[in-house]
Amino acid sequence: SQKIEQNSEALNIQEGKTATLTCNYTNYSPAYLQWYRQDPGRGPVFLLLIRENEKEKKKERLKVTFDTTLKQSLFHITASQPADSATYLCAPDSSASKIIFGSGTRLSIRP
Amino acid sequence: GAVVSQHPSWVICKSGTSVKIECRSLDFQATTMFWYRQFPKQSLMLMATSNEGSKATYEQGVEKDKFLINHASLTLSTLTVTSAHPEDSSFYICSASNPQESTDTQYFGPGTRLTVL
Repeated sequence: SQKIEQNSEALNIQEGKTATLTCNYTNYSPAYLQWYRQDPGRGPVFLLLIRENEKEKKKERLKVTFDTTLKQSLFHITASQPADSATYLCAPDSSASKIIFGSGTRLSIRP
Repeated sequence: GAVVSQHPSWVICKSGTSVKIECRSLDFQATTMFWYRQFPKQSLMLMATSNEGSKATYEQGVEKDKFLINHASLTLSTLTVTSAHPEDSSFYICSASNPQESTDTQYFGPGTRLTVL
């Protein structure tokens, strides 16, 4: 069955450092992969989408990579700020007409 | 943009009553909407896919008679939690994708916090 794993349940880093979150998937080959941010008590918000033929995509301080050989996506936040603290969810494109999310990584940026 | 709203944002009800939650796409038409449930500190769990003009598709383990879904128009889906019990207390979120976009990017509502006493 299709499976999505995000590296760690929680990640705690110092402000100003780069945060790197990992998303691994098994048993399918998504055409694209999406990353979302969720703040407590709120619905997720779409951040970035990367397609299978793209190695890397950037948006301001965010960068996503997509390695279809490793079946992995990395999500980077450079020059991290306390306001970046949130839960980040990855969602590989599914073969069905629905999106399945990873369990999420709760990122905390300490001042 | 693509904006999805939910109503109410929170609701408290007595055990045994039914609660209706509305999900609306404000600036696009959505033939498909999704309903999720999220317990504290857990990830989103897809409950069902709401299809305009046809029956909803429920995920394994979700009771369709307990969670009634109606998608009567291209901009409105409703989730009714029937005979709610304390274990149904959760955060319910809906989402929809804009059919004018080529991907399945989901636009989420703000969520509805249900507390059953």
